[in-house]
Amino acid sequence: DAGVIQSPRHEVTEMGQEVTLRCKPISGHNSLFWYRQTMMRGLELLIYFNNNVPIDDSGMPEDRFSAKMPNASFSTLKIQPSEPRDSAVYFCASSPQAGQPQHFGDGTRLSIL
Amino acid sequence: EDQVTQSPEALRLQEGESSSLNCSYTVSGLRGLFWYRQDPGKGPEFLFTLYSAGEEKEKERLKATLTKKESFLHITAPKPEDSATYLCAAYSGNTPLVFGKGTRLSVIA
Repeated sequence: DAGVIQSPRHEVTEMGQEVTLRCKPISGHNSLFWYRQTMMRGLELLIYFNNNVPIDDSGMPEDRFSAKMPNASFSTLKIQPSEPRDSAVYFCASSPQAGQPQHFGDGTRLSIL
Repeated sequence: EDQVTQSPEALRLQEGESSSLNCSYTVSGLRGLFWYRQDPGKGPEFLFTLYSAGEEKEKERLKATLTKKESFLHITAPKPEDSATYLCAAYSGNTPLVFGKGTRLSVIA
């Protein structure tokens, strides 16, 4: 079975540029989560969706961050404009329902120069 | 506010040297405690879910236990391939999983 698929795996761009991260959750999973991981802060939840609807975006650091889930098989996390402090690994995860084990993709390593 | 604290931050073991990792949680109405393993360059991989105090789960050399305030991940006779970061997360039903910062385990042959 295919797991959670994220793209790109690596992204290097200059500050001020728009960055779009993509995620395909596991088929049949109704909950989707976006996380950011850094050495200092660990794994931080940015936003999560239930049945394609954003439920809690209180973890989104600033208005520069936005996320969408136009259908059950695709989600995007966008940063515009990007800043060097946004450099981190961004993970997408999905679960059958909230509260059940989440399955993670292998992440996007983002470097903003 | 729900919180999860893991200790130690890093642990170095000789092959075969058993030990335990700790996960302390402050969650109102725990509905699940999750353990994950994360290898470098990979996403966290689900290991166990524990639902109530006294529950235990085992997988190969790993055993997870749960009390009302903490969970332990016991590693028996570890091998170098057990080296990874181990994360725990708590679920209260009010918010999604709250993760600890993890324990980096190194097992030396």
